[in-house]
Amino acid sequence: EVQLVESGGGLVLPGGSLRLSCAASGFTFNNHWMTWVRQAPSKGPEWVANINEDGSKRVYVDSVRGRFTISRDNDKNSLFVQMNNLRAEDTAVYYCARWGLNDNHTPDYWGQGTLVTVSS
Amino acid sequence: QTVVTQEPSLTVSPGGTVTLTCASSTGAVTSGNHLNWLQQKPGQAPRALIYNTYRSHSWTPARFSGSLVGGTGALTLSGAQPEDEADYYCLLYYDHRYGDAWVFGGGTKLTVL
Repeated sequence: EVQLVESGGGLVLPGGSLRLSCAASGFTFNNHWMTWVRQAPSKGPEWVANINEDGSKRVYVDSVRGRFTISRDNDKNSLFVQMNNLRAEDTAVYYCARWGLNDNHTPDYWGQGTLVTVSS
Repeated sequence: QTVVTQEPSLTVSPGGTVTLTCASSTGAVTSGNHLNWLQQKPGQAPRALIYNTYRSHSWTPARFSGSLVGGTGALTLSGAQPEDEADYYCLLYYDHRYGDAWVFGGGTKLTVL
């Protein structure tokens, strides 16, 4: 059974940093692109970042580029996002998701999310 | 900035048929946008129903189908059930000309009533 479990969320001051983790199990982690998607309270989801199978390619939404860094540890089946210089508008539930294989361009499995609150 | 537009809300009768649409500010939605449709119920993570415009996941009820109609993406629900009441989001891919990014639509709140 595919499982994705996020952790690391919490309350952080504006300008602060936070590192989220996503523990993956039930599939061959290093075969899949992975992604972070966030959802602000009462808003729709927003794609944040993708990383390819070996971590050599990373893409970001404009609003986080230069502040967030997506990474992965294939030996530990884990996905991360380092979030620096956090702003109030980064407040959201952060989900990790797995992308389908080959030509299956879809975030097929999702975690349950971890809440990040940026506030003074 | 790329904008993806959906109907804010729609209502369908139980057993009825409804089509949700997904339009792109850059022009026609094509197969290259790898259109996805996701369903989200309160308190839950989104769940992908349709990908690559018309392909269904193994868990997708057969009453959901995806297509392209007149340059927009479409999700058709035929024979709506009460459990289909949810928020629906489309998701489009934009290649390097637009930043190699994925963009969600604003979502459609579907009421089954």
